[in-house]
Amino acid sequence: GQQVMQIPQYQHVQEGEDFTTYCNSSTTLSNIQWYKQRPGGHPVFLIQLVKSGEVKKQKRLTFQFGEAKKNSSLHITATQTTDVGTYFCAGPGGTASKLTFGTGTRLQVTL
Amino acid sequence: NAGVTQTPKFQVLKTGQSMTLQCAQDMNHNSMYWYRQDPGMGLRLIYYSASEGTTDKGEVPNGYNVSRLNKREFSLRLESAAPSQTSVYFCASSEGQGSGELFFGEGSRLTVL
Repeated sequence: GQQVMQIPQYQHVQEGEDFTTYCNSSTTLSNIQWYKQRPGGHPVFLIQLVKSGEVKKQKRLTFQFGEAKKNSSLHITATQTTDVGTYFCAGPGGTASKLTFGTGTRLQVTL
Repeated sequence: NAGVTQTPKFQVLKTGQSMTLQCAQDMNHNSMYWYRQDPGMGLRLIYYSASEGTTDKGEVPNGYNVSRLNKREFSLRLESAAPSQTSVYFCASSEGQGSGELFFGEGSRLTVL
C-alpha cells in the first residue's frame, strides 16, 4: 500500500533558526495536505497543494509540491516558540476518500 | 460552533472489556474518519465513511467496528479491548472525498490494562 515518509523525525532548533521537513510518497499524489499538531492537541489543517511544482506561502511558512508530485516540503523561516509541534503531510491513498498521513516531524524550539 | 465532538476524552479499560467512542460533527460533512495515533507512527486510518450509509476499512481495522448512525455521527466500537489498542483516537470529518481539509476532534485517550 501507499507509504508516506517524513524526515527528520525530530528537530531541535534555537529560536530564529530555519527549519525544513521533507515528505516523500511511494506513489504519485493528486494533492498533498499539511497539518500541525501542538503538544497535547489535535491536528489542524495548514494548507493543500494540488499542482506539480506548486509553491505556497503563509507568512514564515513555505510549502512546495514536487514536480513529480511524489514529494513535498515545509520550510519555516526564523522559527518562533509558537512553531513548536509536530508537522504532518498527508495524501490521498487508494480510493479518494482515504488520506494517508506521514510519520510526522516533531519540532522543538528553544530560546 | 462545536465542529467535531468526541466522547469520552479519557477512558481506562481492562483487557476484554468493550466500549464505544462517539463522534459527531455539525458541519454537514459527508465523510468521516477514525484514526489512531501512537508514538512514532503518525496517524493511521482505522475506518472511514465516505458518505452516509457507507463504511470502509482503513489501514488498521482489526479489532474495531464502526457505525455511521446518520450524517452527523460516526461511532467506533472495541468489542474486546486489548493492550495493543492503547492509543489516542481521533475522529475527523471532511466535506467530500479525497481533497479538502480534515477537521479533527480533540481526541480520546484510551488505556487498556
